[in-house]
Amino acid sequence: QKEVEQNSGPLSVPEGAIASLNCTYSDRGSQSFFWYRQYSGKSPELIMSIYSNGDKEDGRFTAQLNKASQYVSLLIRDSQPSDSATYLCAVSGGSGNTPLVFGKGTRLSVIA
Amino acid sequence: DTAVSQTPKYLVTQMGNDKSIKCEQNLGHDTMYWYKQDSKKFLKIMFSYNNKELIINETVPNRFSPKSPDKAHLNLHINSLELGDSAVYFCASSSQVTNQPQHFGDGTRLSIL
Repeated sequence: QKEVEQNSGPLSVPEGAIASLNCTYSDRGSQSFFWYRQYSGKSPELIMSIYSNGDKEDGRFTAQLNKASQYVSLLIRDSQPSDSATYLCAVSGGSGNTPLVFGKGTRLSVIA
Repeated sequence: DTAVSQTPKYLVTQMGNDKSIKCEQNLGHDTMYWYKQDSKKFLKIMFSYNNKELIINETVPNRFSPKSPDKAHLNLHINSLELGDSAVYFCASSSQVTNQPQHFGDGTRLSIL
């Protein structure tokens, strides 16, 4: 059974701080890793994808992947109240039609 | 110019009824999915279709029957609805090209009375 684990939170950070979200996965064959943001009552929205070990930066977001440790993280710099949402870690085997396995999500609250 | 669209957005119905949810994508993707998000917000795959062919069918009651008339459409029909079917159902699509992310529709909130 492929599993993706996340701390459900809530994770509370003050505005302007760095939010750090973590995720571990069980399937060593996983090749594609995604972070989705989901606001309450809305659909998941892709914010980052990462496929190789190391860091990938996009604006205020940095995704980090360590395949040896089976660990993915998302850093949000200069957190804003609008970043308050549930962040879903998703993992797939990499072939184009492989469904995503989601973690249960981490609820982030950015306090103004 | 919505990429993945689902109808209806809300569906409230009685236990025992049969209902359908429709999904269409205009992204040119060849793979489509149905996910279920339960009350604890856990998103789980139900079905996956590639070029109209069923390729993934997770452990889902056979009251749920997906149908893909063409690669841009994937519908979900549910027979004999039960209280436990109450959830948000998301349609998604992706390209068959390796490592492409999935794009989600807005979801259909199904409530069983």
